[in-house]
Amino acid sequence: QITLRESGPTPVKPTQTLTLTCTFSGFSLSTSGVGVGWIRQPPGKALEWLALIYWDDDQRYSPSLKSRLTITKDTSKNQVVLTMTNMDPVDTATYYCARKLSRGGPFDIWGQGTMVTVSS
Amino acid sequence: DIQLTQSPSFLSASVGDRVTITCRASQGISSYLAWYQQNPGKAPKLLIYAASTLQSGVPSRFSGSGSGTEFTLTISSLQPEDFATYYCQQVDSYPITFGQGTRLEIK
Repeated sequence: QITLRESGPTPVKPTQTLTLTCTFSGFSLSTSGVGVGWIRQPPGKALEWLALIYWDDDQRYSPSLKSRLTITKDTSKNQVVLTMTNMDPVDTATYYCARKLSRGGPFDIWGQGTMVTVSS
Repeated sequence: DIQLTQSPSFLSASVGDRVTITCRASQGISSYLAWYQQNPGKAPKLLIYAASTLQSGVPSRFSGSGSGTEFTLTISSLQPEDFATYYCQQVDSYPITFGQGTRLEIK
C-alpha cells in the first residue's frame, strides 16, 4: 500500500521558517522517474503547486515562491522535506505532498494534507 | 506560465445527468493534462491523466478528451458521490499549474 503523510508545526508565527516533512511508504524515491511534490490550498481556494524533487535530485520550484523554498530528500528515511522562509498570514493553507511517477505524469497518490496557520 | 481556465466555475446538476467540464490552456500542452476530484476536507484524487487515460479504480462514467489547448472531462451519469470540486492540471512544463476549479453541486 502506498501512503504519504505530511507533518509540520502549526501555528507558525509571521517571519518564521516553516519546515514540512513528507514521510512515505510503498515506493522508493530512488526508483527511476519517481518524484515527490508539494502542493498547497488556502481555505476555499484552488490548488497551487510549490515544489518537486525527483529520484535523481532534480529540483523544481514555483517561480513566484522560489526564493523562499527549499526541497530536499532523504531516500534512506523515505522522507521529503520542504522549507519555506519568511512565513506570512497569506501562506495559511493546507499543504499536501504527492507522488509523481514520471516527469510528464500526474500526482497519482496524495497525502491527507496538513493545515498550517500563520498567525502572531 | 501556462494558465488553465476551467468552465464553468460552478455547475448545478441532478443525479443521472450527463455533465461536461472544459479546461482551456493558454498555450499548447499536447496531452499533458490531468483531472482531479476533491471532496470537502479531503485530498484531491486523480481521475484521468494524459488527457484521456482513466486512473485505475476510477468508474468508467468518467472520461476525458482533448489535446493541445482544449480539454473536457465528462461524467456520463452523475452519481451522488460525484458532487465535488474538479480541477485540471498541466504537467507539460514548469511551473505545474492547476485550473481554478469547478464546483459541481446537486440541483
